[in-house]
Amino acid sequence: AQTVTQSQPEMSVQEAETVTLSCTYDTSESDYYLFWYKQPPSRQMILVIRQEAYKQQNATENRFSVNFQKAAKSFSLKISDSQLGDAAMYFCAYRSARGAQKLVFGQGTRLTINP
Amino acid sequence: EAGVVQSPRYKIIEKKQPVAFWCNPISGHNTLYWYLQNLGQGPELLIRYENEEAVDDSQLPKDRFSAERLKGVDSTLKIQPAELGDSAVYLCASSLVTSGVNTGELFFGEGSRLTVL
Repeated sequence: AQTVTQSQPEMSVQEAETVTLSCTYDTSESDYYLFWYKQPPSRQMILVIRQEAYKQQNATENRFSVNFQKAAKSFSLKISDSQLGDAAMYFCAYRSARGAQKLVFGQGTRLTINP
Repeated sequence: EAGVVQSPRYKIIEKKQPVAFWCNPISGHNTLYWYLQNLGQGPELLIRYENEEAVDDSQLPKDRFSAERLKGVDSTLKIQPAELGDSAVYLCASSLVTSGVNTGELFFGEGSRLTVL
């Protein structure tokens, strides 16, 4: 079974600075997707960024980028120019490209932005 | 376009009482998921539907939990009787799966927070 591990329960960063959230995963599959979801206090999960495992290029969405290391099974999220609205729980998630079509989530990292 | 709609947002009940949660997925989405999220943890899948068929319910505690998705659209998740440990957020999500391949993202509702006293 696939597992996702986020080793940082909490992180904080000064506004306008850069922060990196860590995620590792365990799988025997070669074809899969990785995601970072943001969950603000309103509870609605919002997709931040996704990465297809077959793509070597790291995904980027505006201030958000990932460092995908397939061999190391690592998938970190970098937030540049942090803003107060970035404060939330961030979840790393894995989904197989075939078979079980469910997201497997990590435990989450609570990100605090200091003004 | 309306997102995934869940109700109620909050529910407080006494233990041993029944409770039901409702989910309306995004129009056209054929796959629907119910996730359980305990405080401070990541969501865990309870059940996944493809159209009206429950294709993965291995994590659903079937002695007290039940779910249905009539006509392959709306879904209801029921707990009867509720226990103290059922206090959590119940998230519904939907996605569009085509040709057996799910490359689309999951869209989540705001969740239903259950408190069992």
